[in-house]
Amino acid sequence: GEDVEQSLFLSVREGDSSVINCTYTDSSSTYLYWYKQEPGAGLQLLTYIFSNMDMKQDQRLTVLLNKKDKHLSLRIADTQTGDSAIYFCAEGSYGNKLVFGAGTILRVKS
Amino acid sequence: ETGVTQSPTHLIKTRGQQVTLRCSSQSGHNTVSWYQQALGQGPQFIFQYYREEENGRGNFPPRFSGLQFPNYSSELNVNALELDDSALYLCASSLTGNEQFFGPGTRLTVL
Repeated sequence: GEDVEQSLFLSVREGDSSVINCTYTDSSSTYLYWYKQEPGAGLQLLTYIFSNMDMKQDQRLTVLLNKKDKHLSLRIADTQTGDSAIYFCAEGSYGNKLVFGAGTILRVKS
Repeated sequence: ETGVTQSPTHLIKTRGQQVTLRCSSQSGHNTVSWYQQALGQGPQFIFQYYREEENGRGNFPPRFSGLQFPNYSSELNVNALELDDSALYLCASSLTGNEQFFGPGTRLTVL
């Protein structure tokens, strides 16, 4: 079946790096996604990685994918207070539904 | 370029009533997906519409139904509302299939 798991909470100091982890079960997933949700808002697509890639970097964001262990991580460099939000990992196949984790609350302390 | 918009922003209904939520997809996007996000949880897939046809459905009862119009906007209808239907309803549009862009959501409260 499909299941995505994330740790519930992460607290970091401003300027440090944040690493949010996720595990998924569906080996047929084509894409793995990271979304950000701020209080009272919808989901913002941060980045995604194709399942045959190991790493993707986009400015302060680095995504690592270990397909063997079905483990995905999101690293945010130089974390800022504006990065405080809930981060969702999701898996999906081309054009189909996304399966989300329960989200990781990131708290950035100044 | 206009992003995904949803209306209304908030809605309060009572048990047994019916509700219609609306979504305007991002310009040029022909696929719309609807998700339900209960408090403290991740979004759950309800269904998807592609070029006015249902193109996949999640584990939701038939009282959740939808439509997509020729301009690719969409409606989500929920009949016989239950207390557990209280949630944030999110609409997402896409063109290529691998990038889904979400609207701000409609907060539905069922009393």
